[in-house]
Amino acid sequence: QVQLVQSGSEMGKPGASVKVSCKTSGYTFSNYGISWVRQAPGQGFEWMGWIAVYNGHTDYERKFQGRLSMTIERPTMTVYMELRSLRLDDTAVYYCARVRRPGGPDNWGQGTLITVSA
Amino acid sequence: DIVMTQTPLASPVTLGQPASIACRSSQSLVHSDGDTYLSWLQQRPGQPPRPLIYKISNRFSGVPDRFSGSGAGTEFTLKISRVEAEDVGVYYCMQATQFPPTFGQGTRLEIK
Repeated sequence: QVQLVQSGSEMGKPGASVKVSCKTSGYTFSNYGISWVRQAPGQGFEWMGWIAVYNGHTDYERKFQGRLSMTIERPTMTVYMELRSLRLDDTAVYYCARVRRPGGPDNWGQGTLITVSA
Repeated sequence: DIVMTQTPLASPVTLGQPASIACRSSQSLVHSDGDTYLSWLQQRPGQPPRPLIYKISNRFSGVPDRFSGSGAGTEFTLKISRVEAEDVGVYYCMQATQFPPTFGQGTRLEIK
């Protein structure tokens, strides 16, 4: 079955970087893209960006431009999300989700808690 | 960006009774390909989101048929025909018609 398994919780200081992995299985990797969505404590969802697995094309939400990167490691069917210059308000649970655009996500990872604290 | 507005923000419901959540978009969600990419998600406490409905009214595999979606254009509704205890959580609508995808603020379903 389709699975997206994310790396574990992390803590970082303001100004640091964090990299979260999303290891996929159970489907043809190149047929879908991966979106990253975050959820701050007690809040709703915020879409961050998307990467097309077949060619590596990315689309990032404007507010993250310049400090967000998404990359692919094809042999392990893993997608990475790196957020740089961390701020206190980046504290959130980060989710990867499988997407076939223009549709929405149909499978989600379990989430990764990123805590930014001085 | 398209703004998604849900009502109500909280819905206390008696077990076995129906529930309904409305979602309005600030622009039409009809895509140039003719489809409407409006989805509904369920988030149980402490859990990741679970996709329920895609393209307005299509249930994902494994979703009970007591969940149904309807609507068109800018007005959409999620209905639960008979609420069960496991339905407690927060429900979100989401549009993927226009970049960037956006979410409603969520509706908390609770048992009276």
